[in-house]
This record gives sequence, C-alpha cells and structure tokens, in this order.
Amino acid sequence: DAGVIQSPRHEVTEMGQEVTLRCKPISGHDYLFWYRQTMMRGLELLIYFNNNVPIDDSGMPEDRFSAKMPNASFSTLKIQPSEPRDSAVYFCASSSGAGYEKLFFGSGTQLSVL
Amino acid sequence: KQEVTQIPAALSVPEGENLVLNCSFTDSAIYNLQWFRQDPGKGLTSLLLIQSSQREQTSGRLNASLDKSSGRSTLYIAASQPGDSATYLCAVYMGSNYKLTFGKGTLLTVNP
Repeated sequence: DAGVIQSPRHEVTEMGQEVTLRCKPISGHDYLFWYRQTMMRGLELLIYFNNNVPIDDSGMPEDRFSAKMPNASFSTLKIQPSEPRDSAVYFCASSSGAGYEKLFFGSGTQLSVL
Repeated sequence: KQEVTQIPAALSVPEGENLVLNCSFTDSAIYNLQWFRQDPGKGLTSLLLIQSSQREQTSGRLNASLDKSSGRSTLYIAASQPGDSATYLCAVYMGSNYKLTFGKGTLLTVNP
C-alpha cells in the first residue's frame, strides 16, 4: 500500500480564498483523522471519521472549517474563507482501530495564508 | 484533561551514544501509548505502541518502557546514528474518546 496520500503538499493562498485539502487513507482503515500542527500548539485533532461518518468535530476551530468523507477512499478538509492564522501543516491520518492500533500519517499539506 | 509533556525539547548527542527520551502524562488511566518519529517536512511515523498492560516494547535499537502509575514513558535509543536525527513525539490514548493526546516532541540531533 502507498500509505496515506495527501494533496497538495504545499498551498499558498490569499486571505479570503477557499482552500481544499485532500486525503486518501490506507485501504481497509475504518478511521480517518485530520490534524493541524503548529509550533505554538503542537498537534491538534480537528475531526475524525469512522466508516465515513464524522464522529467528533469538536476540534474544528470555526464554522469556516468543514470536512467530508464521501467514500472510504477519499476525504476533504475545506477552509472558507481562509485567514492568516490558519497557516499550519495539516495532516491526515488513518487507522484500523482508532486509538487501539497504530496511527498512520500522510506527509501533510503546508498551508500558508497571506 | 490529559496533558503530555516531553522534556527536553531538544537534545544533541554524538554518534554512538545511547540516549533516553522522556514522556510524562498527567492522567495515568491510559489505554496505550505510542512513540512517533517526525522527519522535517514529513508526517509522523509510528515507532512503537505499548498497551497499558505492558511494561515495554522493543524494535531494533529502540526500546520503549511504560510506567503507568508514575505517568511516565521512556524511549531508549541504543548506539545512536545520524539517521536517528528527527523529532520524537509521544501520544497517549485514553480509550474512551478515540483521541490521542500528543506531546510537543523532543528534537534529537545526532552528530557524526
């Protein structure tokens, strides 16, 4: 398996623009997680899905953030409108058993909002 | 609320040295603990996962120990190599809300 695949690797956009991040989890993994990493706050869980259903989105900072998982092999994280404070590295991760099993991360998307 | 702390934030050692990275957590009622490695510009790679019933896990030159009662875990790296240079993070899982709580990591530099 190719692992968790994220795109794009880098995204530079202007404040107010819509940003869409994409993720393909490892085949057969039932859980998908979106994390955000910054120097100040470290890794923060934004939302996670189980069998394509959002289970906990309490980490989503604002209504500007939304996430979908239309099928088992694809998820998106959308920010609309984007703000400079959204600049961070966004990671997608998947697992076969939530926290009970190892978590596999993608390479991340470096987002810069100017 | 579970808090995970990793000290020191950065560590620099000469090649060949054995070293220990530390992780502490405030709530000892954990289900398991994972150690991850993160290379610059890359995602996290899970190195070892220790269940709460276990005392240690080993993989190659890596050995992770867990002392639940004291809220501590250590990652021991034997005979360190420059290729071990990376940030090492620990994360605990409470078993109830499917969330991992991460420490901020220790940046390890192994000098040739």
